[in-house]
Amino acid sequence: EDQVTQSPEALRLQEGESSSLNCSYTVSGLRGLFWYRQDPGKGPEFLFTLYSAGEEKEKERLKATLTKKESFLHITAPKPEDSATYLCAVRGPGTSGTYKYIFGTGTRLKVLA
Amino acid sequence: EPEVTQTPSHQVTQMGQEVILRCVPISNHLYFYWYRQILGQKVEFLVSFYNNEISEKSEIFDDQFSVERPDGSNFTLKIRSTKLEDSAMYFCASRGVRYPDTQYFGPGTRLTVL
Repeated sequence: EDQVTQSPEALRLQEGESSSLNCSYTVSGLRGLFWYRQDPGKGPEFLFTLYSAGEEKEKERLKATLTKKESFLHITAPKPEDSATYLCAVRGPGTSGTYKYIFGTGTRLKVLA
Repeated sequence: EPEVTQTPSHQVTQMGQEVILRCVPISNHLYFYWYRQILGQKVEFLVSFYNNEISEKSEIFDDQFSVERPDGSNFTLKIRSTKLEDSAMYFCASRGVRYPDTQYFGPGTRLTVL
C-alpha cells in the first residue's frame, strides 16, 4: 500500500539550531515527492519537488534531498519565522495514466527565539 | 502576485443539506484540484480536473461529490447530502503548464456539518 510517514511529529529548535525532517515513503512508481509548508489556518505553500534519488534542491535556509526510500528537509540556522508544519507528499500512478497524491501527517516545527 | 481564492471562508450547514464550495484558480492555470483536511489529520486528495473533466479521483470522492467549472473563472465542489464526517477544511489548488509540479493552494473553506 502506498504511504508516507513523516518524523518527528513535532520538533522544537532554538534559533540557529540546524536539524532535519524526515519523510519515508512507499509508492509504486514515484512521480515526484513534494515538500510544503503550512501555517495554521492556511493552505499548503509549495516548497520543492524532487523526482529522482540523489536530487537536491535549496531555497534560503531549506534544502531537500531524496533517496529511493526517503526524503530529508534540512533546515540550516532556522529563524522563528520558519515555524510551521512541513508536509511531505508523493505522487504516484493512478488509474488509466492519471496520478494520485498521498500526504504525510506533517512535522510541526517550532523555532524559539 | 496572483493567488487562488476560495469562498466562503467558513460554511455551516445541517446534515443532509447540499453545499457548494467555490474556488477561483489563478487565471492562466488549466489544472485544478480539491483536497480536504479533517481537523488534526493529514491532507487528503479528492479530485483533479483538466479540460472540463475529472482526471483522477480518490476513494473519498464518491457519488455525493461533484466538481464543475461553470464558467471561465470558477471551479466548484458540490457535496449533495452532507454528513457529519464531511466537516473539514477544503482546499482548492491550481497549476499551470510552465511549472507543472507547482500547485498553488487557496486559503481553504472550513465546512462544519451539524
